[in-house]
Amino acid sequence: QVHLEVSGGGVVQPGKSLRLSCVGSGFSLSDYGFHWVRQAPGKGLEWVAITSFDGTNEYYADSVEGRFTISRDNSKNTLFLHMNSLSADDTAVYYCATESSHQWAIPDYWGPGTLVTVSS
Amino acid sequence: EIVMTQSPATLSVSPGERATLSCRASNSVNSNLAWYQQKPGQAPRLLIYDASTRATGIPARFSGSGSGTEFTLTINSLQSEDSAVYYCLQYNNWPPLTFGGGTKVEIK
Repeated sequence: QVHLEVSGGGVVQPGKSLRLSCVGSGFSLSDYGFHWVRQAPGKGLEWVAITSFDGTNEYYADSVEGRFTISRDNSKNTLFLHMNSLSADDTAVYYCATESSHQWAIPDYWGPGTLVTVSS
Repeated sequence: EIVMTQSPATLSVSPGERATLSCRASNSVNSNLAWYQQKPGQAPRLLIYDASTRATGIPARFSGSGSGTEFTLTINSLQSEDSAVYYCLQYNNWPPLTFGGGTKVEIK
């Protein structure tokens, strides 16, 4: 059974960095592309980034381009979101989601998110 | 960037009745549209993709229709467990993938 667990959230000061982890179980993370999607408190969903299963294709929302990057550690079945130069606008619950077997652009299975609060 | 607009913002429906949710795209997205359900405190769940194909395990009372710029999610025989916020997502012209603002379905 596919399970995702996101961790690494917390309170961080503006301008600082944070790394989120998305650990998969019940499947091999290296077989899947992944999305990161965020949701500011009380707001709707905002797509953040996508990586292909082999990491050769990555795309980012303009709001995070150049500040956020995705990496993987397949030996630990873990996906990372590295977030730099954080601002209050980045405050949100961050979700990771697998790609759909139908089309990689569709976020399919979502893990529970982790809250990132950017505040001094 | 494709802008997705959902209406209404809130929909109040009695149990057993039908809920009809709308999603409009600023430009044609063909049939490259998905619907998600999000209950309070939970992650979203994929309901529909390709505008009308139910995802695995989704009850038949959920149905999607439309193409181009106008889409509808219909929930027949509404149940109390269907109380949630519903989002549409276009994946025709990306990046970026873009979500609608959501429709909250309340049970009367």
